[in-house]
Amino acid sequence: GAVVSQHPSRVICKSGTSVKIECRSLDFQATTMFWYRQFPKQSLMLMATSNEGSKATYEQGVEKDKFLINHASLTLSTLTVTSAHPEDSSFYICSAREQTELYFGPGTRLTVT
Amino acid sequence: GIQVEQSPPDLILQEGANSTLRCNFSDSVNNLQWFHQNPWGQLINLFYIPSGTKQNGRLSATTVATERYSLLYISSSQTTDSGVYFCAVGGGGGNKLTFGTGTQLKVEL
Repeated sequence: GAVVSQHPSRVICKSGTSVKIECRSLDFQATTMFWYRQFPKQSLMLMATSNEGSKATYEQGVEKDKFLINHASLTLSTLTVTSAHPEDSSFYICSAREQTELYFGPGTRLTVT
Repeated sequence: GIQVEQSPPDLILQEGANSTLRCNFSDSVNNLQWFHQNPWGQLINLFYIPSGTKQNGRLSATTVATERYSLLYISSSQTTDSGVYFCAVGGGGGNKLTFGTGTQLKVEL
């Protein structure tokens, strides 16, 4: 199957700082990527759809200015959590579609202190 | 938006036992996938199955789209099968998937 990578796998930052998470499709091109968020023992919630060369589409209730998404190439999307606060601590997972299936990265665990 | 419910929420099995996990969804879909989330959080693709039946080793899945449900069968369970199983569905013209509530499976020796 297709491979999606994420970096970093784990990050700890101080409250008020910004953190960038990278998502790459390694062996295929993805015009669309998706960013999900997962709290402990809960399901995955879609945050936004990242579109190559255009603006991201955010789900209802997700702050566009806090979660900045850039999809600059067919293999790379980035999520920047700006002015992070402890309540932003979560597991962030990206995904990309290869033909009919969605494939997921290994996730990034963000802890804001 | 579409609602996706999974049952049971938790399941404990003895190694070697069989199980059936269910996924109900509230609207027509043109995409349905089953995933296994391992203890490290990685989602592993099990099946892409918007309709019909598929089998892969000890796992098989069936989706009855007209009745809006899908089933995942695990036979001869092993401890490595432990983790959370999610179904996720997509409908309409979009590519995005909506995830179900998940089934937490624990397989004991």
